[in-house]
Amino acid sequence: NAGVTQTPKFRILKIGQSMTLQCAQDMNHNYMYWYRQDPGMGLKLIYYSVGAGITDKGEVPNGYNVSRSTTEDFPLRLELAAPSQTSVYFCASTKDSANSPLHFGNGTRLTVT
Amino acid sequence: AQSVTQLGSHVSVSEGALVLLRCNYSSSVPPYLFWYVQYPNQGLQLLLKYTSAATLVKGINGFEAEFKKSETSFHLTKPSAHMSDAAEYFCAVSDRAAGNKLTFGGGTRVLVKP
Repeated sequence: NAGVTQTPKFRILKIGQSMTLQCAQDMNHNYMYWYRQDPGMGLKLIYYSVGAGITDKGEVPNGYNVSRSTTEDFPLRLELAAPSQTSVYFCASTKDSANSPLHFGNGTRLTVT
Repeated sequence: AQSVTQLGSHVSVSEGALVLLRCNYSSSVPPYLFWYVQYPNQGLQLLLKYTSAATLVKGINGFEAEFKKSETSFHLTKPSAHMSDAAEYFCAVSDRAAGNKLTFGGGTRVLVKP
């Protein structure tokens, strides 16, 4: 039972490079989310999706893009990496209802130098 | 807009002592509230949730939380700390009006002393 799978686990980027963080879930969840976690700041929502073909901005979307072509996958794209994007990124998914818990991946630790 | 405030970014308790983590929220509608735990190098796991069925909610690993509407609080407690409780704990509120987004507090890291 895989749950939410994130790849890669770690990545170091140079300023200006681009990359895609992958996220896949096998629970047939409609709702998927990308959060970033910075020390002492909790988790901040970057983008979310309520179903295939539908995405919306969260609290901190600048510098990121997403797509949702299938129910299972929700990749996060960084086009021009900046040091401010150094963070731990978490993907999560849930069923439709608001009281359903989020299922989290194990995170991607990204360093931009 | 919803918000969550966790009082204290770090808490140190002795093994066997009470664990109390404070959470206050603001929400324009009756909230759904959650506590999550994060162990090192892992994602977050659900501890417990409040969805208006009962004000005292019991979760996993002996944790419980009480919803107090008058105080807009949802504090987390455990009567007796165990070494395995060392982790970071996050309180969160669900935005039912916008994609069920969770707004998280800043987190409280718990250190358990032997």
